[in-house]
Amino acid sequence: DAGVIQSPRHEVTEMGQEVTLRCKPISGHNSLFWYRQTMMRGLELLIYFNNNVPIDDSGMPEDRFSAKMPNASFSTLKIQPSEPRDSAVYFCASRSTGRANIQYFGAGTRLSVL
Amino acid sequence: DQQVKQNSPSLSVQEGRISILNCDYTNSMFDYFLWYKKYPAEGPTFLISISSIKDKNEDGRFTVFLNKSAKHLSLHIVPSQPGDSAVYFCAASQPSNSKLTFGKGITLSVRP
Repeated sequence: DAGVIQSPRHEVTEMGQEVTLRCKPISGHNSLFWYRQTMMRGLELLIYFNNNVPIDDSGMPEDRFSAKMPNASFSTLKIQPSEPRDSAVYFCASRSTGRANIQYFGAGTRLSVL
Repeated sequence: DQQVKQNSPSLSVQEGRISILNCDYTNSMFDYFLWYKKYPAEGPTFLISISSIKDKNEDGRFTVFLNKSAKHLSLHIVPSQPGDSAVYFCAASQPSNSKLTFGKGITLSVRP
């Protein structure tokens, strides 16, 4: 199993630009989570999906952030327009419902907004 | 309002000794607890978990203890190895809820 795959691994962009982060969950997993990690706030849950449907987006910081899951094998997190304070590491995780609540994480995308 | 707290940001131990990592929580609805390990430039990886119906779970060198009355759990690593040097996150979830609430992590350094 390839695990959760995120791309790109690193993204450097300028303030105001649109950023799209991508995630492929583990095959057969039906829940997907987007997290942001910063020094100040640690690991924060932004949004999660069950069976491709957004369940809880209360962690999404602003309207500049949006997430989609068009099918069971792909999700995107978009920031438009990006700001320097969005610089962080963004993780995607997936899990299989019906089993122990263990989430499996991707390697993350390190975003730098200049 | 931080519901899962890891109050010590770092811990340094000698190889071969015991490492004890602590975690406190405030939400009495939490019923499942996990520890994740994270190396630099990698995502967190699941290490060990415990349900609230137990007070101990062991997996090789790793043991998690849960004290529900104190809302406290700890991870014991015996014996500690240099490869255990990483950031350790404590996490918790509520019944029938997919969300995990994470602590801020503790950096463990195991000295050879």
